[in-house]
Amino acid sequence: QVHLVQSGAEVKKPGASVKVSCNTSGYTFINYGITWVRQAPGQGLEWMGWISGFTGNTNYAQKIQGRVSLTTDKSTNTAYMELRSLTSDDTATYYCARTGAYVGHDPFDFWGQGTMVTVSS
Amino acid sequence: DIQLTQSPSTLSASIGDRITITCRASENVNVWLAWYQQKPGRAPKLLIYKASTLQSGVPSRFSGSGSGTEFSLTITSLQPEDFATYYCHQYNHFLYTFGQGTKLEI
Repeated sequence: QVHLVQSGAEVKKPGASVKVSCNTSGYTFINYGITWVRQAPGQGLEWMGWISGFTGNTNYAQKIQGRVSLTTDKSTNTAYMELRSLTSDDTATYYCARTGAYVGHDPFDFWGQGTMVTVSS
Repeated sequence: DIQLTQSPSTLSASIGDRITITCRASENVNVWLAWYQQKPGRAPKLLIYKASTLQSGVPSRFSGSGSGTEFSLTITSLQPEDFATYYCHQYNHFLYTFGQGTKLEI
């Protein structure tokens, strides 16, 4: 059974960084990729980026490119999302989801439970 | 980026109704479009992928159609658990995008 379990809620000050983890189980990590999606309170879904579980290659949304880094640890089947220079606009629930190992035609079939990140002074 | 426009933004319906939500893409995405259901406080759930393929475990009252730039999600015989927000998502271009969502309410 596929599971993606994310780290707990975070409260950060403006200008700080946050790192969210996504621990996976129930499938072969290197055969898939992990994508990250965020959702501001009461708003829609915003795609942030993708990382291959096999190659470590990444793609980022242009809006946040330069502030976000996606990494993986194959030894623990865990993916990480780090977002830097936080502002109040980054207050959102952050989701990881499983997708393809290569950029291409794979939907997001299993999702983590979400991690609430609040940015407040 | 490819823009996805869903309509309507809000849809009022009743138990047993048949409803359709549409999603229009600003560029051709072939059949690489998915539909997700999201309930308050929960992660999105994949319903349909490749425009019309039902994800495993999803009830057959859900169906998808379309290709290119015009897509639709249909739910026949609405059940109480179907009242949620629905999002379309294109994954043809590696800069993935979502529609703005359609809230299905009673």
